[in-house]
Amino acid sequence: AQSVAQPEDQVNVAEGNPLTVKCTYSVSGNPYLFWYVQYPNRGLQFLLKYITGDNLVKGSYGFEAEFNKSQTSFHLKKPSALVSDSALYFCAVRDHRESGGGADGLTFGKGTHLIIQP
Amino acid sequence: DADVTQTPRNRITKTGKRIMLECSQTKGHDRMYWYRQDPGLGLRLIYYSFDVKDINKGEISDGYSVSRQAQAKFSLSLESAIPNQTALYFCATSDPRAGAYEQYFGPGTRLTVT
Repeated sequence: AQSVAQPEDQVNVAEGNPLTVKCTYSVSGNPYLFWYVQYPNRGLQFLLKYITGDNLVKGSYGFEAEFNKSQTSFHLKKPSALVSDSALYFCAVRDHRESGGGADGLTFGKGTHLIIQP
Repeated sequence: DADVTQTPRNRITKTGKRIMLECSQTKGHDRMYWYRQDPGLGLRLIYYSFDVKDINKGEISDGYSVSRQAQAKFSLSLESAIPNQTALYFCATSDPRAGAYEQYFGPGTRLTVT
């Protein structure tokens, strides 16, 4: 079974400092990895994904994430945080198997509240 | 994302009542999903559909049923609502044909069962 762990319920960062939101995963096949952001009273917005290729992927709003296969991690990063980045962030994984089969849909972590302090 | 709409946006209902949540999309995607979000638990998959004739149970399907009326419409029903079904419900779509497995979410329906 696939799973995602976001070890921090909340991350506090001063505006202008770099930020990291951690994510580790477990799958049987190949991981397809995603980050989403949720603002209050809103749906989830797609930020970025790793399917294959370069381990460092860039996404919306200046965010990036690094896929590390040996550590089964996919941490979200941004060089300089903005107050407007404050939101709930979700990491998600899809267990992709070339042979097909298995359930579709994403498995989500529990979410990390990112708070950027002015 | 305005391409995926959900109705109603908020609903309060009583235990034992039947309720339907509706989802429509204009993205032309074949795959549609229903998730529920509970505080501290993230999102969990209820049902998913590859197309009109292919519907599958997700992680937490007990107490729920779905109907895929057309490519663009996917409804979630609670036949007899109970208080622990109080949650935020999201519909999502995806189009893996282009190698794009990310999902696009609607704005959510906040359901309260009293």
